[in-house]
Parts: sequence; structure tokens; C-alpha cells
Amino acid sequence: GAGVSQSPSNKVTEKGKDVELRCDPISGHTALYWYRQRLGQGLEFLIYFQGNSAPDKSGLPSDRFSAERTGESVSTLTIQRTQQEDSAVYLCASSLNGRHGNEQFFGPGTRLTVL
Amino acid sequence: GDSVTQMEGPVTLSEEAFLTINCTYTATGYPSLFWYVQYPGEGLQLLLKATKADDKGSNKGFEATYRKETTSFHLEKGSVQVSDSAVYFCALGGANSKLTFGKGITLSVRP
Repeated sequence: GAGVSQSPSNKVTEKGKDVELRCDPISGHTALYWYRQRLGQGLEFLIYFQGNSAPDKSGLPSDRFSAERTGESVSTLTIQRTQQEDSAVYLCASSLNGRHGNEQFFGPGTRLTVL
Repeated sequence: GDSVTQMEGPVTLSEEAFLTINCTYTATGYPSLFWYVQYPGEGLQLLLKATKADDKGSNKGFEATYRKETTSFHLEKGSVQVSDSAVYFCALGGANSKLTFGKGITLSVRP
């Protein structure tokens, strides 16, 4: 079946503009995660959705970052007033549920460049 | 908070050499431990995992044992191949199973 998909694959924007990144998880997966990977760094957790529960937003670096998910489907990550330090690869992952030890399946990522 | 430390890279080996990539962690509670791999031009994928102390994860000839006493999850392979060239990430699964990653290490295997 289809894996996790993300769009766009690449996004170049000017400092101060807003951007929206999209993630389509694997069908039936109730848990969805956003991470980002800055150059030369490991992945950093941003936000976690599990079903209809309140999301875990503890990894969002500032109030310019927000994310939504409709039910158990598509999620969008929005970055307002982008800054150069927001340049990174943004990865989405989904898993069957948020239980201990479950494998997360990753999408190909969106490479964001802020000029 | 949770953290993962991986040995510094990159690592270059000859084919059939023995591989060890060190990984240690700091965590509260009883995390799950993972190794993810990213092959050139591909997305991140799970290589192996262990969910409790003394468990051994294995896949494609790679192994790692969850050592609670040394807070380690070192990755090993007895004989690497050129096709193992990739970036390897150690990760810890904590609360809500969100992952904390190490910085990753690039492995290059030459024929």
C-alpha cells in the first residue's frame, strides 16, 4: 500500500512569508508526528497527534509554528513569518498508534529554504 | 530530558569489515530503542528495534542489544557490504512514542 506522502518536496520562500507543508499518513494510522532536520543535526520532534486527543505540541520551537490534523487523515504544518533558521527538512511520520515500541513510517520530507 | 549520543563520523570501511556504531542514551522511564537508516536518495526507514532491557534487535545482518546497565544500544554487523553505505540514526522512543534522535553517522563501504 501507499506510504507516507508529503508535499511539496521542495519549497523556497522569502524571509517573512508564511508556508504550509502537507502530510498524508498511511491509511489507518492514528498517530502522526512532525520532525525537522537541520543541516548536520539529528531529527527534532515538533508535534504529535493521536486520534482525537489534544496534540502534544511540546517540540514546537516558537508560536510561529502550528499544525493541524483533521481526524485521522491529512496534517498541515504552518510556519508564519519564516526566518532563515527555519531552513530544514521537515519530516512527517505515522504509526499504527502511539504505543510504546511501535514503528514510525517516515515520508520523504519537504526541504524548506528560507532566503 | 531524553537524549541520544552517537559516535562521531563519518566512518569508512572496506567491504567485509566488522562494523560497530556506538549509541548511548539518557532517559526517564523505560524507553524503546531504535536504529533507523537512510540510504542515498531514499527516506528514513526502520532498521531494527528493541523495546525492553536485554532485548536484541536484528535485521539484514545488523544487531543491537538494549543494555540498561550501560544505557547503550550499539549497532554491529560482522561483515559490511557496499550496499550498507548509508546514514544511520540511533533513536529513543519516549512518552507518546515520540522519537529522540542522535545526530546520525555516515557509513561508506568501499569495495
